[in-house]
Amino acid sequence: EPEVTQTPSHQVTQMGQEVILRCVPISNHLYFYWYRQILGQKVEFLVSFYNNEISEKSEIFDDQFSVERPDGSNFTLKIRSTKLEDSAMYFCASVDGTSDTEAFFGQGTRLTVV
Amino acid sequence: GQNIDQPTEMTATEGAIVQINCTYQTSGFNGLFWYQQHAGEAPTFLSYNVLDGLEEKGRFSSFLSRSKGYSYLLLKELQMKDSASYLCAVRGASGGSYIPTFGRGTSLIVHP
Repeated sequence: EPEVTQTPSHQVTQMGQEVILRCVPISNHLYFYWYRQILGQKVEFLVSFYNNEISEKSEIFDDQFSVERPDGSNFTLKIRSTKLEDSAMYFCASVDGTSDTEAFFGQGTRLTVV
Repeated sequence: GQNIDQPTEMTATEGAIVQINCTYQTSGFNGLFWYQQHAGEAPTFLSYNVLDGLEEKGRFSSFLSRSKGYSYLLLKELQMKDSASYLCAVRGASGGSYIPTFGRGTSLIVHP
C-alpha cells in the first residue's frame, strides 16, 4: 500500500539552528500539507501546497517557515532559527485531489529544540 | 473561523459500545472526518461524512447532522487496541483544497 514517508523520525537541534524536515508524498497525489502537533495538544494546520506553490497557510506559518518541492518527489519544510516552542511532532500529509476525501499522513518527525 | 468541540477523555469496557460526540461551528461546511491516533503515531483515517446520516464501516460508524453541527463516532465490540485518541476534523468552505481543522481529540481508554 502506498504511504507517505518522513525523515528523520526524530531530530534534535539547538535553539537558533535551521532544520529541514523531509517528506515523500504518495506519488500520484496533488495536494501536500504540513501539520504540527505540540505534545498533548491538537493537530494544527501549517501550510498546503498545490501546483508547486503555497495555496493556503495558517497564522503559525510565519517568515520562519518555508516549504519546497525541489525535485518532484520530495516535499520539505524548513524552519529557520528554531525556537524552543517549535518542539513538536510535524506531520506531512497528501491527498490525491480526485477522490477529494482522506488525507494520508506520514509517521511524523519529532522535533526537539534544546 | 472554525470551532470544534469534543470530550477530552472517555473510558469504556472491552466488548462494550462507546459513542464519541463532536460539535462544530464553521464558516461553510465541506465534510467531516474522524481519525484515530495512537500515542506518538500519525492520525489514520476512519470515516468521512458530507451528507446527513449514518456511515457504517465494520465496527465503526459515523453520524452527521449538518443542521445541528453535530457528529458522533460509534465504536462497537470494543477491543483493547481501540485505546487511542479520536480526532474530529471539519473541512470548511475552502475551495478545492483539503484543509480540515482538527478538534483536540478524545482520548479513549478501554479497560478489561
